[in-house]
Amino acid sequence: GAVVSQHPSRVICKSGTSVKIECRSLDFQATTMFWYRQFPKQSLMLMATSNEGSKATYEQGVEKDKFLINHASLTLSTLTVTSAHPEDSSFYICSAHRSTGGMNTEAFFGQGTRLTVV
Amino acid sequence: GNSVTQMEGPVTLSEEAFLTINCTYTATGYPSLFWYVQYPGEGLQLLLKATKADDKGSNKGFEATYRKETTSFHLEKGSVQVSDSAVYFCALSDNTGGFKTIFGAGTRLFVKA
Repeated sequence: GAVVSQHPSRVICKSGTSVKIECRSLDFQATTMFWYRQFPKQSLMLMATSNEGSKATYEQGVEKDKFLINHASLTLSTLTVTSAHPEDSSFYICSAHRSTGGMNTEAFFGQGTRLTVV
Repeated sequence: GNSVTQMEGPVTLSEEAFLTINCTYTATGYPSLFWYVQYPGEGLQLLLKATKADDKGSNKGFEATYRKETTSFHLEKGSVQVSDSAVYFCALSDNTGGFKTIFGAGTRLFVKA
């Protein structure tokens, strides 16, 4: 079946540095990918929609200069947390949609990246 | 806009007990409905889905029926196991929202042996 791979699964970085998270669709092409953030014991909040070949669409309240998204190919989207601070520590999850016919799609989620900023 | 409301947890059950986790939704279009499961420290796994009214999704003993009249998609399992302990998310996705997935708050389930 379709698989979405997210890397790294865990990362610890120093405050002020930048961290890049990759999301790959392994056996299908994804023109659209989504990035979510999950705070401890809370639900997933959509951060942005990553569009292949064009700018990402950010949800209200998400800083686009803080969370840089690049969707350079049909199988890869990256999220870069720039100048990370402890409050950016969170669980980040990506998803990619594959068409299942007509207007229907199925979402596949990466395994998530736990970011800890110290 | 679209939204999903699910019962608050945590839910604590004994092994072999019956499980119900309520989920209701609000949507402007004709959404697909999903239940996802998240085990500790892991990402999301699709548990089951239904794409139109009256469809029943089922997997691993879990079931949920898409009820358009009550805008509900309640998750049920007849006999839970310790290994079912996880967080369960109800979610919807439709083409009017660009296929974004909107999640409920999640319900944590603890199953005791």
